[in-house]
Amino acid sequence: GAVVSQHPSWVICKSGTSVKIECRSLDFQATTMFWYRQFPKQSLMLMATSNEGSKATYEQGVEKDKFLINHASLTLSTLTVTSAHPEDSSFYICSARDSGESYNEQFFGPGTRLTVL
Amino acid sequence: DAKTTQPTSMDCAEGRAANLPCNHSTISGNEYVYWYRQIHSQGPQYIIHGLKNNETNEMASLIITEDRKSSTLILPHATLRDTAVYYCIVRPTNSGNTPLVFGKGTRLSVIA
Repeated sequence: GAVVSQHPSWVICKSGTSVKIECRSLDFQATTMFWYRQFPKQSLMLMATSNEGSKATYEQGVEKDKFLINHASLTLSTLTVTSAHPEDSSFYICSARDSGESYNEQFFGPGTRLTVL
Repeated sequence: DAKTTQPTSMDCAEGRAANLPCNHSTISGNEYVYWYRQIHSQGPQYIIHGLKNNETNEMASLIITEDRKSSTLILPHATLRDTAVYYCIVRPTNSGNTPLVFGKGTRLSVIA
């Protein structure tokens, strides 16, 4: 099956710093990737849709200037949490859709746990 | 909005079949039923999907009622590693770039 990786798997940072999370599709090309956030004991919440070569589409309530998304290639999307604060501590999960497949299966990365002190 | 209803939690004895129900009474004719699961601190994992007919793969079986208003995911011989949150999701066959929308899912605990 298709593999999606994320780096780092976990990160601890100080309040006010920025953190970049990478999402890669390892064996397929993805024109579209999705970013989710999950707080403890809650379900996944869609943050934004990342489109290769164009601007991301953010869900209502998600600050686009705080959560910068760059999808510069068909295999890489990055999420940068700018000026992170403790309330940004969460589990961030990316997902990618195989552009070459007709059935639009969505594959998930292993997640990145962000802790902001 | 998630268009499915699932029990909040279920227990299952190790080695027994785990039957996870899902109600999707407003499902339309062009929508698939998908099942994913999320083991603690991991990304969601695809299990199975179906449209009308029952489906089986190496992980599970999916039984969809004739009226398609509900379905059951069956793990035939549950192991401790099947402890996870199971999500039932409906989405159109021609979903394009529409992302998966997750509801609250069912927390399955497999007990030794």
